[in-house]
Amino acid sequence: GESVGLHLPTLSVQEGDNSIINCAYSNSASDYFIWYKQESGKGPQFIIDIRSNMDKRQGQRVTVLLNKTVKHLSLQIAATQPGDSAVYFCAENIVPPGNQGGKLIFGQGTELSVKP
Amino acid sequence: EAGVTQFPSHSVIEKGQTVTLRCDPISGHDNLYWYRRVMGKEIKFLLHFVKESKQDESGMPNNRFLAERTGGTYSTLKVQPAELEDSGVYFCASSPYRKLAGGTDTQYFGPGTRLTVL
Repeated sequence: GESVGLHLPTLSVQEGDNSIINCAYSNSASDYFIWYKQESGKGPQFIIDIRSNMDKRQGQRVTVLLNKTVKHLSLQIAATQPGDSAVYFCAENIVPPGNQGGKLIFGQGTELSVKP
Repeated sequence: EAGVTQFPSHSVIEKGQTVTLRCDPISGHDNLYWYRRVMGKEIKFLLHFVKESKQDESGMPNNRFLAERTGGTYSTLKVQPAELEDSGVYFCASSPYRKLAGGTDTQYFGPGTRLTVL
């Protein structure tokens, strides 16, 4: 069925350390994945995305890895800062054939806490 | 450029009452989406507009929910009558039109409307 889930609900790291947030998905036909960050009182904010024809994509301090064999997605944050504290969601973009855009299927979210 | 805006930011109503949420997408974005997050659960898709047309409303919970996007600009989501289980945060997102069917674009989210039904 359609589901995207996260392994851990909370993650606590020391400032300056690297963070890794994991996600498992079940729809093997999915070809587009996104990581969002949600701070308290705000809506989800786009961080980085990756298509299924890639296995790694890097942004500024963030890297997304995609393992299609085991249907696993991860977000790596380098040198984690207090401002990175938030809930992180992975999402799968499902686009019906011949359609525009497409709905996002979200995981439950991982709350990242950064200790100074 | 202004982002996606939603109104109100909070709404507290009693069971049986009606509430209307509003979303103003980013100017020029043809795709508009509604999602909601019920306490402790994941964000779930409700429906998708392309301009004024409903492209996908498979996530709408029941016929107490009515979404409109007259004129293809802002959208409203009405809940009538509201039930306790409708409490949650309702998000709106928008993305530009893609010329290639089946393409994708980043969905930009608004801050959400927190709905509490007592």
